[in-house]
Amino acid sequence: KQEVTQIPAALSVPEGENLVLNCSFTDSAIYNLQWFRQDPGKGLTSLLLIQSSQREQTSGRLNASLDKSSGRSTLYIAASQPGDSATYLCAVRPSSASKIIFGSGTRLSIRP
Amino acid sequence: ETGVTQSPTHLIKTRGQQVTLRCSSQSGHNTVSWYQQALGQGPQFIFQYYREEENGRGNFPPRFSGLQFPNYSSELNVNALELDDSALYLCASSPAGWDTEAFFGQGTRLTVV
Repeated sequence: KQEVTQIPAALSVPEGENLVLNCSFTDSAIYNLQWFRQDPGKGLTSLLLIQSSQREQTSGRLNASLDKSSGRSTLYIAASQPGDSATYLCAVRPSSASKIIFGSGTRLSIRP
Repeated sequence: ETGVTQSPTHLIKTRGQQVTLRCSSQSGHNTVSWYQQALGQGPQFIFQYYREEENGRGNFPPRFSGLQFPNYSSELNVNALELDDSALYLCASSPAGWDTEAFFGQGTRLTVV
């Protein structure tokens, strides 16, 4: 059974720091991995999609990596800003199912 | 802005009632999925529709049902509401294919009292 874990559950850092959010999954048989951002009480905004054959994707100050064999992904945020404060969710699409399986998220707070 | 719109944005219902939530998919997307997100948790898969047929279901009781229409819009129906059904309900649309990107709407916040 596929499980997705995100550590830490919450993180607070001062503005300007580079930071890494971690995601692990138990079954390497996935089609892709997607990182989302969620503001309080809002829907999900897709940040980056990494296909199973890819190692990383970049968008602006964000870089996501995927190591399928070890079941790990990281989201790197460069030069953090207060506007980056949100919950970041990692999700995998297993090869054996139509659904997306989410982690519980990391709640990120950037202090001015 | 993903192009996936959900209505209503907020809803309050009484235990035992029935509710219908609606989702309009992004243009060109023929696959829609519904998720339930409890406070502080990640979204949980309810079911998925592809070309008006259910093709995947999570661990939710039969009182959770859905429809997808020819224009690919969708409904989530919940009968006999329980207090634990209070959650954010999210709709996601994607093009056909298992490896495609999912785009989510802003969600419907359902409160059952």
